[in-house]
Parts: sequence; C-alpha cells; structure tokens
Amino acid sequence: GAGVSQSPSNKVTEKGKDVELRCDPISGHTALYWYRQSLGQGLEFLIYFQGNSAPDKSGLPSDRFSAERTGGSVSTLTIQRTQQEDSAVYLCASSLPSGQETQYFGPGTRLLVL
Amino acid sequence: DQQVKQNSPSLSVQEGRISILNCDYTNSMFDYFLWYKKYPAEGPTFLISISSIKDKNEDGRFTVFLNKSAKHLSLHIVPSQPGDSAVYFCAALDSGTYKYIFGTGTRLKVLA
Repeated sequence: GAGVSQSPSNKVTEKGKDVELRCDPISGHTALYWYRQSLGQGLEFLIYFQGNSAPDKSGLPSDRFSAERTGGSVSTLTIQRTQQEDSAVYLCASSLPSGQETQYFGPGTRLLVL
Repeated sequence: DQQVKQNSPSLSVQEGRISILNCDYTNSMFDYFLWYKKYPAEGPTFLISISSIKDKNEDGRFTVFLNKSAKHLSLHIVPSQPGDSAVYFCAALDSGTYKYIFGTGTRLKVLA
C-alpha cells in the first residue's frame, strides 16, 4: 500500500467494553510503533515491534492494553474494559529497522469512551 | 519527566514572515532530532531532521538549527504560508534505542 492505514477511523464505545484497533504498516517496514495522543498532549509511546523480536511494551499504561503483530505485518491494539480516560487518538507508525529512520504515521483512530 | 519540551503551545505569524518554533530536550544521549507537521484528522508527517553531528539542516523553506550545548533546537519556516498552519511536533531519538520521544506540539497559525 501507499502508506500506513488504520481502522476504524473513529470509534465510540461504552465504558467497560473492549475495543480493537488495527494498523497496516507500509510493506517492508519491520518496525511498528503505537502512540496515543490525548487532548492537549504530545504523542505518548505505547509499544514497539521490530521484526520477530519481543515487543517493547514499556509504554502500555495498564494491563488492559495489549497489542499483537501477526506475521510481522498487521498489528492490533486491544483495550479491554475501556475507561473514559482511554479516549484519545491512537496513532500507528512504521519505519525501516530503527536507527535514524523516518517514521511514517497512519491517520489515527479517534476513540471516544462514553 | 518530560524529556522533550515545546514550551509554546501556539504561535501566530503573518504570511511571508518567519516562523520560529522551539524545542528543548534534557537527555544528552539524544543524537537525532526530527520535526513533524500534523493537520487535523491526519497523522503526523515528517518534515525535516538533523543529526547531532550537525548544527543546521536546510530543506527549501524549512531550516532546523541544533544547539547541543543548550540542548535546544528550532525550526525556521521562511517565508511562512497559510498552508503551513498546523501543529508541529519535535521528536528526539537516542540511536542506541528505538524510542522516539515527542514534544507536546506547537500550533502554528499563519495569517493571510
């Protein structure tokens, strides 16, 4: 594909429900990042995948958050038992293997938890 | 502990004038810096970068300056155009890691 795609573009859910956010990185990009941007905040690192290595999950805010990357390509970020403070824009980015490589971002998923 | 800071949340500039966006960092291990531009409802797009071995990098209307001793970088846009109106994020990387640290962004408005 031409760029990083994310789905859904918008998601409204009720507190306590689970949500899944999807990211399709640029073909050939082995590095994949998830970030969260809350209102008025910068981009908060959540998780990093690089090839077949174990992901860096150090940015996940709680154990309600998890992410997978299947076949080194598509990634899914899952938020269980959503809370209102989870409302944010969730951004995915991919790049060539890290080391001063430019990240290419998807358009984001806007999550609103009521 | 905010390692990358953009202390100006917003900036307004007249069309044709220079826009200067500032960014400060605290981690001396950062050796690569980037600026991203973000329009509403879109993801950030890469604008320009600079390695710590340089103090200036220029690309058309955009120039990034790095002052390592002050741990400060700035983005200059000249001449500013209305289409430059967006949120600008600076980001920093310790190349020994893979974790980019982003600032909170500065919203630039270029007035026609």
